[in-house]
Amino acid sequence: EDKVVQSPLSLVVHEGDTVTLNCSYEVTNFRSLLWYKQEKKAPTFLFMLTSSGIEKKSGRLSSILDKKELFSILNITATQTGDSAIYLCAGRYSGGGADGLTFGKGTHLIIQP
Amino acid sequence: DAGVTQSPTHLIKTRGQHVTLRCSPISGHKSVSWYQQVLGQGPQFIFQYYEKEERGRGNFPDRFSARQFPNYSSELNVNALLLGDSALYLCASSLVWTSDDEQFFGPGTRLTVL
Repeated sequence: EDKVVQSPLSLVVHEGDTVTLNCSYEVTNFRSLLWYKQEKKAPTFLFMLTSSGIEKKSGRLSSILDKKELFSILNITATQTGDSAIYLCAGRYSGGGADGLTFGKGTHLIIQP
Repeated sequence: DAGVTQSPTHLIKTRGQHVTLRCSPISGHKSVSWYQQVLGQGPQFIFQYYEKEERGRGNFPDRFSARQFPNYSSELNVNALLLGDSALYLCASSLVWTSDDEQFFGPGTRLTVL
């Protein structure tokens, strides 16, 4: 059975700290690894990673994928209170008649002022 | 451009009832997927539809069904509701079926079963 495991499940840090969120995956017909930020309801897209070792960057956020170790990390530097959210990692699969996402439980990140 | 829209926003039902949730994808998107997100968990895949055909189904009982209309909007139906069906139901749309395109999520429908 496919699974995506995120750690830690929750994290409380102070504004200005750097955080690293972890995601390991076992997904059949794996296609890509996606990160989402969920604040209230709709998850919003952060990154899609398909190739190993190539860092994707957007402002203070960056992410990288290791397809050999089946692992990805999401880094947030100089955290701000607006970064408080649940960060979801998902493995995208395609094949066997379906194309979908297997999500982890998420990391609940709280940034204290 | 409007994003993915879902209706209703909130819904309260009692056990044994049935419910219909609706989703309109982003204009031009032909694929719609449904997810169930129970409190404290990540979203779980229920169905994927493309060009009005079911292309994938997650591990959910037959009480769950869905369909996609010619305008690519979609309905999720749940019969004989159980307390455990209480969740946020998310709809996501993407351009086509198998692609590397991003899935855009709607705001969800919060279903409470009493």
